[in-house]
Amino acid sequence: DAGVIQSPRHEVTEMGQEVTLRCKPISGHNSLFWYRQTMMRGLELLIYFNNNVPIDDSGMPEDRFSAKMPNASFSTLKIQPSEPRDSAVYFCASSRTSGGSTYEQYFGPGTRLTVT
Amino acid sequence: GDSVTQMEGPVTLSEEAFLTINCTYTATGYPSLFWYVQYPGEGLQLLLKATKADDKGSNKGFEATYRKETTSFHLEKGSVQVSDSAVYFCALKDPSGGGADGLTFGKGTHLIIQP
Repeated sequence: DAGVIQSPRHEVTEMGQEVTLRCKPISGHNSLFWYRQTMMRGLELLIYFNNNVPIDDSGMPEDRFSAKMPNASFSTLKIQPSEPRDSAVYFCASSRTSGGSTYEQYFGPGTRLTVT
Repeated sequence: GDSVTQMEGPVTLSEEAFLTINCTYTATGYPSLFWYVQYPGEGLQLLLKATKADDKGSNKGFEATYRKETTSFHLEKGSVQVSDSAVYFCALKDPSGGGADGLTFGKGTHLIIQP
């Protein structure tokens, strides 16, 4: 299994620029999660999708953040415009949900974003 | 809302020492509890889990017991190895919480094992 694939692994950008993070979940998984990890706040859930539909985006910090899942094998997290306080490691995770139960979440390697 | 509290790190131990990492939680419902491990430069991996009170999760010599009366899920290992050096996260999934399928994580505990 390829596991959850994220790209890029590292991104350095200037304040005000648009940033797009990408995620390919494990084939057959129908739930996808975006998390952000910072030293100050730890790991936070930003948004999750089930069957490509956003279910809970209450963790998305501001309107500058948006996420899409156009099909079962691809999701993006976009920040526009980016700010230095967005610097963090962004993780994507996927899992299988069946019969109302969600199974283990598998995490990707993360994208380390630095906004200068 | 839901929350997870872990002991602050880093925790530094010698090889073959006994390990305990404390974890307590607050949840509105009856959560499932998890320990994840993150090795340097990698994503999180599930280490063990427990889905109901008094369940014991175990894997790779690590154990944790779901204690509803003390709302705790402490991680233990009898004899640690240098290869156990990593960051350990306690987490919960509360089906009655707002983000029903998302995980709520503790801040993480950095474990350093010295030879």
